[in-house]
Amino acid sequence: GAVVSQHPSWVICKSGTSVKIECRSLDFQATTMFWYRQFPKQSLMLMATSNEGSKATYEQGVEKDKFLINHASLTLSTLTVTSAHPEDSSFYICSATPGTSGSSEQYFGPGTRLTVT
Amino acid sequence: GENVEQHPSTLSVQEGDSAVIKCTYSDSASNYFPWYKQELGKRPQLIIDIRSNVGEKKDQRIAVTLNKTAKHFSLHITETQPEDSAVYFCAASVNDYKLSFGAGTTVTVRA
Repeated sequence: GAVVSQHPSWVICKSGTSVKIECRSLDFQATTMFWYRQFPKQSLMLMATSNEGSKATYEQGVEKDKFLINHASLTLSTLTVTSAHPEDSSFYICSATPGTSGSSEQYFGPGTRLTVT
Repeated sequence: GENVEQHPSTLSVQEGDSAVIKCTYSDSASNYFPWYKQELGKRPQLIIDIRSNVGEKKDQRIAVTLNKTAKHFSLHITETQPEDSAVYFCAASVNDYKLSFGAGTTVTVRA
């Protein structure tokens, strides 16, 4: 149990275009989902926290107008990278937890490799 | 916010030897400390975690210790095997909520 999927697993897009990444909890309802970005040989950096039905909370330094997050249902959150640039190329990973404000393990998706040309 | 420091950044051990990775955290309110193993291009996998009401936890060849007073926690892997080669991350959070990750340790087990 506790499976989180992401789609697509990898995507290549041209500079200036937008890309949407989906994160789904397959066998549980995810009250909270987290979005991370991981550059090569670096750690996971939290970008934002999303709770179903409310606006996402972004970490300091993350542009909310560039990284649009929608958590429309208890099993789906989406991250849209708008007007992508080569510096946005990274590994994007989501995680989901069944609990509100924690009290539960985070389950990670397999990640999405974004390359902006 | 929470700041988690992790050392060493790389660790090479002979198969069968032990590996130790150490982390420190800054927020005294942190009470949940998971460790993740990540293979190249894959998702992080939880290998062990510890909560602040416990000083040590063990699961087969893996153990974690926590010193709340000093605000540091460590991962111990005994009898290392080639399949233990990966990047290991420590993390800290308050009530299992937002995780703050360490920088990671690349462990290489030499056969």
